[in-house]
Amino acid sequence: GENVEQHPSTLSVQEGDSAVIKCTYSDSASNYFPWYKQELGKRPQLIIDIRSNVGEKKDQRIAVTLNKTAKHFSLHITETQPEDSAVYFCAASRRGAQKLVFGQGTRLTINP
Amino acid sequence: GAVVSQHPSWVICKSGTSVKIECRSLDFQATTMFWYRQFPKQSLMLMATSNEGSKATYEQGVEKDKFLINHASLTLSTLTVTSAHPEDSSFYICSARERGQNIQYFGAGTRLSVL
Repeated sequence: GENVEQHPSTLSVQEGDSAVIKCTYSDSASNYFPWYKQELGKRPQLIIDIRSNVGEKKDQRIAVTLNKTAKHFSLHITETQPEDSAVYFCAASRRGAQKLVFGQGTRLTINP
Repeated sequence: GAVVSQHPSWVICKSGTSVKIECRSLDFQATTMFWYRQFPKQSLMLMATSNEGSKATYEQGVEKDKFLINHASLTLSTLTVTSAHPEDSSFYICSARERGQNIQYFGAGTRLSVL
């Protein structure tokens, strides 16, 4: 079955700098890749997603890139702010499947 | 965006009792709902997938008789932890998905503490 690896497990950056979180997946049939943000004790919230027919997607300070050949995708956050501090999860879903397979999560800390 | 309501947010129960957790989609029809368990500082572990009107599909290692799932309508799924034990203490989160859509919307989670 699908396996999603996420790195790093923790990331600390200075406010205003960029943060990059990377994920790799194993199933070449996967075609949907969402990113969720989870603040402490709160629900995971979708921040951006990408489908396999697109190589990059951007939404203000957040962007996701996908390399289907290498089977990896990355989350890029620019001009980081303290409110970006949270745990971020990547996930992958294969065509025709219902479930998402999540990465292990990255705890992002933005230092003022 | 779509809203998923989960209740209760926190429950304490005695060992041996059963606890029911509700997950409702408030403004869309959730043909598929998912139940996850999350340990502290860990990822979301899928327990089961439920489709409206069908039996739930459980992930390997999850006891179906222990974690009863009912998805009787397009807006409600319930998870019942039967004969709860301290090791069942965890954060349980549901999510819901509309037919034909990939996006899963999550509930706020239920923190279960079994004494």
